[in-house]
Amino acid sequence: TQLLEQSPQFLSIQEGENLTVYCNSSSVFSSLQWYRQEPGEGPVLLVTVVTGGEVKKLKRLTFQFGDARKDSSLHITAAQPGDTGLYLCVGTGNQFYFGTGTSLTVIP
Amino acid sequence: NAGVTQTPKFRILKIGQSMTLQCAQDMNHNYMYWYRQDPGMGLKLIYYSVGAGITDKGEVPNGYNVSRSTTEDFPLRLELAAPSQTSVYFCASSYGWVSGELFFGEGSRLTVL
Repeated sequence: TQLLEQSPQFLSIQEGENLTVYCNSSSVFSSLQWYRQEPGEGPVLLVTVVTGGEVKKLKRLTFQFGDARKDSSLHITAAQPGDTGLYLCVGTGNQFYFGTGTSLTVIP
Repeated sequence: NAGVTQTPKFRILKIGQSMTLQCAQDMNHNYMYWYRQDPGMGLKLIYYSVGAGITDKGEVPNGYNVSRSTTEDFPLRLELAAPSQTSVYFCASSYGWVSGELFFGEGSRLTVL
């Protein structure tokens, strides 16, 4: 089973700080998706990156797909309490491969 | 447009009991999935379906069963519940096979005592 490792597993920061979440694998993926899951809810898609080296920005969130399409990162600038949640990276190949998740808490 | 609807949201079972988790989607998606989510483990695929009448096992199918009689509905059956099946279960659907967006239900939290 392909496994996507996310780091850190838990992150607690103050409002206004910056952070980066990493998603790493030894496998190549067709694309890489990032989802955010809030307590009591299902994951919701934030972005899909397809091309090696691709960078996508969604307001204060910046997503990057590694050149070799094996890894990805999510950078949040000036985190806000509304960013709190579980962030999941998902690689696509012959199925959806879920990362282990990063639980982010932004303290007001 | 409701998306993916799961019921029940919470359930407590005794060891050996059986139950069915219901899942329905109104987006006319052919592809539907059942996942379980355990802390620190990501989501694991239990079963999936590529269309009405067609289902297949995922990574962790033991102790579960599914059926897909219509495009809309994809129920998950737990037979002889065991404590190892305590988890949060998510139903999801997608337009394409391993492409595009996964749409998730709100989840069903199951505890087996």
